[in-house]
Amino acid sequence: GIQVEQSPPDLILQEGANSTLRCNFSDSVNNLQWFHQNPWGQLINLFYIPSGTKQNGRLSATTVATERYSLLYISSSQTTDSGVYFCAVVDAGGGADGLTFGKGTHLIIQP
Amino acid sequence: EADIYQTPRYLVIGTGKKITLECSQTMGHDKMYWYQQDPGMELHLIHYSYGVNSTEKGDLSSESTVSRIRTEHFPLTLESARPSHTSQYLCASSGGRTPPYNYGYTFGSGTRLTVV
Repeated sequence: GIQVEQSPPDLILQEGANSTLRCNFSDSVNNLQWFHQNPWGQLINLFYIPSGTKQNGRLSATTVATERYSLLYISSSQTTDSGVYFCAVVDAGGGADGLTFGKGTHLIIQP
Repeated sequence: EADIYQTPRYLVIGTGKKITLECSQTMGHDKMYWYQQDPGMELHLIHYSYGVNSTEKGDLSSESTVSRIRTEHFPLTLESARPSHTSQYLCASSGGRTPPYNYGYTFGSGTRLTVV
């Protein structure tokens, strides 16, 4: 099946810093989403972005489908940005229709 | 505002008990999914459904079962809970019925199950 690799696995930053999270995937995808999982386990959809660039406030994302990667940018980090960021894709080659998740980036924003 | 609801949010139960985790969505989505997640780990697909009376097993083998009698409802059942079933279970749905189709996935808040 499709492989999803996220980097870095862990990231500790001071409040106000900027960060870039990366997601590489091994095959063509029909769907790519970025999620934020908060400390209570809730999974919040950040972007649905199988290609192109989107922005939402301090967050933006870019997916280059032809090169099989996506980037999530967080600017002016706040402590509430802490948590795990997951990239998830749907394999365009078929198989189960569900999302395949990467292992996530564990982000800690210190005050 | 949540459009996909899971209950209970937390559940602690003894070994051997039968449990049902509830999931309902109000978005008119045909496709629904169950994922299992151990603490600090990635999510794994255990069941999915394309619509009423459709159920399929996912990538991760699970002793749980699911049913889809109504479009909006996709419950997960464990006939005899064991400590190895301790995990978080998240329900999701995707795909609207009318254009513009929403291919993104929306997740419920999850059920944290502890079997003692």
